Amino acid sequence: DQQVKQNSPSLSVQEGRISILNCDYTNSMFDYFLWYKKYPAEGPTFLISISSIKDKNEDGRFTVFLNKSAKHLSLHIVPSQPGDSAVYFCAARNNQGGKLIFGQGTELSVKP
Amino acid sequence: GAGVSQSPRYKVAKRGQDVALRCDPISGHVSLFWYQQALGQGPEFLTYFQNEAQLDKSGLPSDRFFAERPEGSVSTLKIQRTQQEDSAVYLCASTMYTSDTQYFGPGTRLTVL
Repeated sequence: DQQVKQNSPSLSVQEGRISILNCDYTNSMFDYFLWYKKYPAEGPTFLISISSIKDKNEDGRFTVFLNKSAKHLSLHIVPSQPGDSAVYFCAARNNQGGKLIFGQGTELSVKP
Repeated sequence: GAGVSQSPRYKVAKRGQDVALRCDPISGHVSLFWYQQALGQGPEFLTYFQNEAQLDKSGLPSDRFFAERPEGSVSTLKIQRTQQEDSAVYLCASTMYTSDTQYFGPGTRLTVL
């Protein structure tokens, strides 16, 4: 039973345009959400996070939106750059411990 | 400072062999997590330590998997009698406190032939 889902395995975007990566979750006990970026042969790198008490968090070109009623979050990257090409993982954590539940990942390709 | 390091980076084992994977967390980090990432999937939680105490091992897939962190710093994940389905990337992450952001190492890619 997949508690965190990223339904798009891949996404291709033109450089300078907006990239929107989506994530859905089923467990209402999740109270903290994170996005990680992963290059081949490297570990996931933390990108941005959001607490369930907020609906938006912004850090430079990266913004995460949380819609609790829909159990949906999204990562917006504006403007997209070729260096953003990587696999992006959405992860969630509940209020009972530190373990993260990850989605399957979305491979973003930003074309020059 | 140095990030999380893992060794070896790559390990090939014959089915039935025992393997040991090492994780060196960021200095001073209290919490340490192990995850398993199969090809094309997201990381899946295996186990978690707070200092030397193993507080959650609910994700370990079988009793062939064993993890330890005897002095509260370096951790070892041991897999006994490896099977082909154990082939995956094993990731280690550490945090100062349990609820903090987890910082990941580069992983160990295990291939069982």
